[in-house]
Amino acid sequence: GAGVSQSPSNKVTEKGKDVELRCDPISGHTALYWYRQSLGQGLEFLIYFQGNSAPDKSGLPSDRFSAERTGGSVSTLTIQRTQQEDSAVYLCASSRLLGQDNGYTFGSGTRLTVV
Amino acid sequence: AQKVTQAQTEISVVEKEDVTLDCVYETRDTTYYLFWYKQPPSGELVFLIRRNSFDEQNEISGRYSWNFQKSTSSFNFTITASQVVDSAVYFCALSAGRGSTLGRLYFGRGTQLTVWP
Repeated sequence: GAGVSQSPSNKVTEKGKDVELRCDPISGHTALYWYRQSLGQGLEFLIYFQGNSAPDKSGLPSDRFSAERTGGSVSTLTIQRTQQEDSAVYLCASSRLLGQDNGYTFGSGTRLTVV
Repeated sequence: AQKVTQAQTEISVVEKEDVTLDCVYETRDTTYYLFWYKQPPSGELVFLIRRNSFDEQNEISGRYSWNFQKSTSSFNFTITASQVVDSAVYFCALSAGRGSTLGRLYFGRGTQLTVWP
């Protein structure tokens, strides 16, 4: 597609439920990134994919968080047993190649509210 | 360790004033990239500029200019003759490292700029 698409744009869930957030990167972009933006924490890195593999999972906050990418395209970020502190905007970005000299294109994010 | 500091949390100016957003970074890598992003109220992060560590030449794009100084580890952003549409949160970011951390962006906390008419 023309840009990075994220769905849903807003999600309200009850504490303890599981949620899935979806990211559809720009066609042909091999690298995909997930970031979280929450009040007081700024933008924090969660995970990135090069193709379908995730070399760096160090940013995932806990084992309740997982992510996968299939077909080198769509990625899903799953949060199990959601907690109120998971409330944040989850941003996805993609770049044509992995590397410092390539710019990212960000999606509009998914605003997650855990009640 | 990689770190970006944006000391200014909020800045308010009146339209047509010039404003400078500060960014200080820390890295031990000799090769790195610096970025500025704009986040308007709609929420999407908009890429503004990318500079690599070997190019200290300042850059101007319309009303925007960037001053990169390795001696002070700073990458400041100036908006000349600010406009109401410039109101947004501005993030400075650093990309450095290698191996598994390649491509990861380290963001500052952001500066909320409000331009009043």
